[in-house]
Amino acid sequence: DAGVTQSPTHLIKTRGQQVTLRCSPKSGHDTVSWYQQALGQGPQFIFQYYEEEERQRGNFPDRFSGHQFPNYSSELNVNALLLGDSALYLCASSWYGTEANYGYTFGSGTRLTVV
Amino acid sequence: AQTVTQSQPEMSVQEAETVTLSCTYDTSESDYYLFWYKQPPSRQMILVIRQEAYKQQNATENRFSVNFQKAAKSFSLKISDSQLGDAAMYFCAYYRNEKLTFGTGTRLTIIP
Repeated sequence: DAGVTQSPTHLIKTRGQQVTLRCSPKSGHDTVSWYQQALGQGPQFIFQYYEEEERQRGNFPDRFSGHQFPNYSSELNVNALLLGDSALYLCASSWYGTEANYGYTFGSGTRLTVV
Repeated sequence: AQTVTQSQPEMSVQEAETVTLSCTYDTSESDYYLFWYKQPPSRQMILVIRQEAYKQQNATENRFSVNFQKAAKSFSLKISDSQLGDAAMYFCAYYRNEKLTFGTGTRLTIIP
């Protein structure tokens, strides 16, 4: 049973560049949520995708955008990178509308470093 | 907005002893869930235990148990018989409407 797969595992980008992170959800899950975890902090909710639409969004600027594909996989795009965007980006998948008992399954994240 | 506070940045415990990690939260809602996640150096968030707010009984999973005080908005995690593999960052999280709100975490060190 494949869990959540994220790629790449590490990435170094220059300020002002654009980056795309990818996530494949756990088999059977149809919802993908993205979180940003700065060093020494807890993860913060960026947004959530279900049925190829953004369902809810956290307090992140429009530079952060996403997409969900028909196979439920998802991308997170960040434009005009800032040094402060350096963080671990976590993807989590779930089955939309189920009781929280089923919960999220997290991937191991993509470590983004902006220099 | 919901907030989750973990006031212990670091904790340590002797192997085989018991340790309690603290968490408080703020919400005006009555239906929600609370979770404790473990994040080892591998970075993947691993669910340790969950609690439904409508249940008065405290959740238990093997060596892990919680003390859920809904009126006080407190949700502590007790780890019994601590093992070296328990060393990790522990995050308390509030869950509602398919979204998690995390605390800042507690780093747990196990002393052999």
